[in-house]
Amino acid sequence: DTGVSQDPRHKITKRGQNVTFRCDPISEHNRLYWYRQTLGQGPEFLTYFQNEAQLEKSRLLSDRFSAERPKGSFSTLEIQRTEQGDSAMYLCASSPRRAIEAFFGQGTRLTVV
Amino acid sequence: AQTVTQSQPEMSVQEAETVTLSCTYDTSESDYYLFWYKQPPSRQMILVIRQEAYKQQNATENRFSVNFQKAAKSFSLKISDSQLGDAAMYFCAYKLVFGKGTKLTVNP
Repeated sequence: DTGVSQDPRHKITKRGQNVTFRCDPISEHNRLYWYRQTLGQGPEFLTYFQNEAQLEKSRLLSDRFSAERPKGSFSTLEIQRTEQGDSAMYLCASSPRRAIEAFFGQGTRLTVV
Repeated sequence: AQTVTQSQPEMSVQEAETVTLSCTYDTSESDYYLFWYKQPPSRQMILVIRQEAYKQQNATENRFSVNFQKAAKSFSLKISDSQLGDAAMYFCAYKLVFGKGTKLTVNP
């Protein structure tokens, strides 16, 4: 296991379409995080899982966003009815414990046209 | 609400010189971790250094060190003997909250 893996790396979609991103965390990490990062800004927290339980959600995560982590392994982030404002880098990270640093994937860059 | 503030959007340093990046944060907790992450252009975020709040001793990792002032809620990063490969965005983080970052340029 070489680190956190995200797929796809890039996604271009038309406004109004649904998109789904996948994150595979480091195998022994039970905590998984999703962040959104726009150009020139720091990562903004979206949601986090401990095993399969979604324990925290940001108010940034509107009703169009949903995240799952079935069986406490990989996670998916779905955005329904995409809007141009959803264009950003979506980062996934994992950690063995909350207080310890998170290990980040390379991100999925979403462009909504 | 917990906040992290990085007041320097951009910084530059000459190769081999020392630079300090500033960070302040707000929290009511007494035990926590603070982090500095580095994000090179088009590459993934990696941890540079972390500090445990209950430890008075400042963390050090090779050329990277922090100046942690708990009472002032300040957590600055010092990079000594700067190298061209240090050029990146640097983010200060308190738990799940990140600052807006400082873009560091290293001049040869």
